[in-house]
Amino acid sequence: EAGVAQSPRYKIIEKRQSVAFWCNPISGHATLYWYQQILGQGPKLLIQFQNNGVVDDSQLPKDRFSAERLKGVDSTLKIQPAKLEDSAVYLCASSYLTTVNEQFFGPGTRLTVL
Amino acid sequence: AQSVAQPEDQVNVAEGNPLTVKCTYSVSGNPYLFWYVQYPNRGLQFLLKYITGDNLVKGSYGFEAEFNKSQTSFHLKKPSALVSDSALYFCAVRGNNNDMRFGAGTRLTVKP
Repeated sequence: EAGVAQSPRYKIIEKRQSVAFWCNPISGHATLYWYQQILGQGPKLLIQFQNNGVVDDSQLPKDRFSAERLKGVDSTLKIQPAKLEDSAVYLCASSYLTTVNEQFFGPGTRLTVL
Repeated sequence: AQSVAQPEDQVNVAEGNPLTVKCTYSVSGNPYLFWYVQYPNRGLQFLLKYITGDNLVKGSYGFEAEFNKSQTSFHLKKPSALVSDSALYFCAVRGNNNDMRFGAGTRLTVKP
């Protein structure tokens, strides 16, 4: 079974630039999550999709972050414009539909904002 | 909203000794609890979960966790630590709307 795929693995940008991350979940997983993990901290949920609908985006900084999951499969997370404090690893995860199922994580995208 | 606390930033144990990584939680309704491990430069890997049933849950790599409802705890344990267990461990709780909250993580170091 193929795992969660993310690209790019690394990205360096200047502040005020824009950046986009891509995630392809495990086939058949209805739920997709984006997390932000700042160095030394636990993952922080940014947004959760169930199929192509948003379940929870309460911690997403909506003035600069956006995400979409067209057709309920792949997802893109965008930051525009980026700030220095956005430097982090962005993790994508997917799971089956129910609350009892564990999440499977991708390798993450390490973003450095200079 | 649900939350998780991992009171220890760092746990050091000698190889062959038992290890415990602590986790306490706060959630309304039934708790769904998870442990994940993160090795350097790798994504998070699922270790085990508590949904319902036996309070002692067994997971991957010889790890187990004990659910204690009265103390709202879900401590991770292993009878005999290996050097290869050295990693970052995260406890997580899922609420009724399926959202997940992670703790800050505990760095486990197992010394030979």
